[in-house]
Amino acid sequence: LAKTTQPISMDSYEGQEVNITCSHNNIATNDYITWYQQFPSQGPRFIIQGYKTKVTNEVASLFIPADRKSSTLSLPRVSLSDTAVYYCLVGDMKGGSYIPTFGRGTSLIVHP
Amino acid sequence: DADVTQTPRNRITKTGKRIMLECSQTKGHDRMYWYRQDPGLGLRLIYYSFDVKDINKGEISDGYSVSRQAQAKFSLSLESAIPNQTALYFCATSDPRGRGDNEEQFFGPGTRLTVL
Repeated sequence: LAKTTQPISMDSYEGQEVNITCSHNNIATNDYITWYQQFPSQGPRFIIQGYKTKVTNEVASLFIPADRKSSTLSLPRVSLSDTAVYYCLVGDMKGGSYIPTFGRGTSLIVHP
Repeated sequence: DADVTQTPRNRITKTGKRIMLECSQTKGHDRMYWYRQDPGLGLRLIYYSFDVKDINKGEISDGYSVSRQAQAKFSLSLESAIPNQTALYFCATSDPRGRGDNEEQFFGPGTRLTVL
């Protein structure tokens, strides 16, 4: 059963880089690592996905070590609007298909 | 995401009432999901459907049922609502035609349900 472990909460200040690490010791060989962002009273929104090494898009970077047992979401120069809950997902194999499994996520609060 | 809509957005009901939450999508995705979210907890999967003829229970399906009326519509029913079903409910869709595993999910705006 693929499960993830993330810090429950983090605090940062505007302009700082924020790194959120997720542990997924039982990740399956074929599984990707996906991160979502959720603002209060809204549905989660996909932000980045990767399989190994490093992935970067206009929002964030994702670092995955060779053993893939963890991953780190990096948010450069955060602003107040980055205050949200961030979820790390790996698939959960059920009946031959991968089912996305959300944990509790990391609540990031960005202070002025 | 405007392509995934949920109705109603808010609902207050009483214990024992039957209630249906509806989800519609215009993304043309085969896969649809229902989640519930409680304060301080993540999203927990209630039911999921990979196509019109495929319905599967998630981790917390007790007390819920679903209907996949068409590719675009996936409804969640509470046959006899109880107060601990008070939560925020999200519908989501995904498209397996890309990678097939861990594909991106698109979420609706949510339905806030209160059971008194």
